[in-house]
Amino acid sequence: DAGITQSPRHKVTETGTPVTLRCHQTENHRYMYWYRQDPGHGLRLIHYSYGVKDTDKGEVSDGYSVSRSKTEDFLLTLESATSSQTSVYFCAISEGGPRADTQYFGPGTRLTVL
Amino acid sequence: GDSVTQMEGPVTLSEEAFLTINCTYTATGYPSLFWYVQYPGEGLQLLLKATKADDKGSNKGFEATYRKETTSFHLEKGSVQVSDSAVYFCALTGDPGNQFYFGTGTSLTVIP
Repeated sequence: DAGITQSPRHKVTETGTPVTLRCHQTENHRYMYWYRQDPGHGLRLIHYSYGVKDTDKGEVSDGYSVSRSKTEDFLLTLESATSSQTSVYFCAISEGGPRADTQYFGPGTRLTVL
Repeated sequence: GDSVTQMEGPVTLSEEAFLTINCTYTATGYPSLFWYVQYPGEGLQLLLKATKADDKGSNKGFEATYRKETTSFHLEKGSVQVSDSAVYFCALTGDPGNQFYFGTGTSLTVIP
């Protein structure tokens, strides 16, 4: 199994509070990704990173920000959580390179915004 | 833009039945195609992949063939087991940044 951990694994928070989710990898892979999983939508890309301090937006980036100050860590921040951000969040990593590369997923974080 | 469409579930089969989960795609260029599996409470795991037309990916008795002419990558297994009960996602890679595009997932339940 790829060495990917996510923390916390479960979180309940209130609307309007800031939330930070952490993804940590031990594989030294270049690319890291944040997805959210919702019924009927599959997985949708929020943000991704292609190197330290290099990030870009995905399909559903509104309301989220990310940071990557070290190769091994990729943080996802909800500046002011809303109920629509209740979801399961998955981090993924890949070695990089175009098209053919496999992504490996972490165990997920279940976030509930009340 | 790039996208994946897979058959809706849930799918319920008896043990040892034949499984097909349909997946079609829309993409510019020549994507790689993947099937991932998600067991309850876990993250996604790669099941198989194919990187070019006519390639066949296979793993654990599952197979899928990359068909460019029909833009399809259907998942098949000849004899399912109870342990195959999970959600299956079809996906493709696209640009930029090696982005993945996932289908909505198909839930499979195999009953003894």
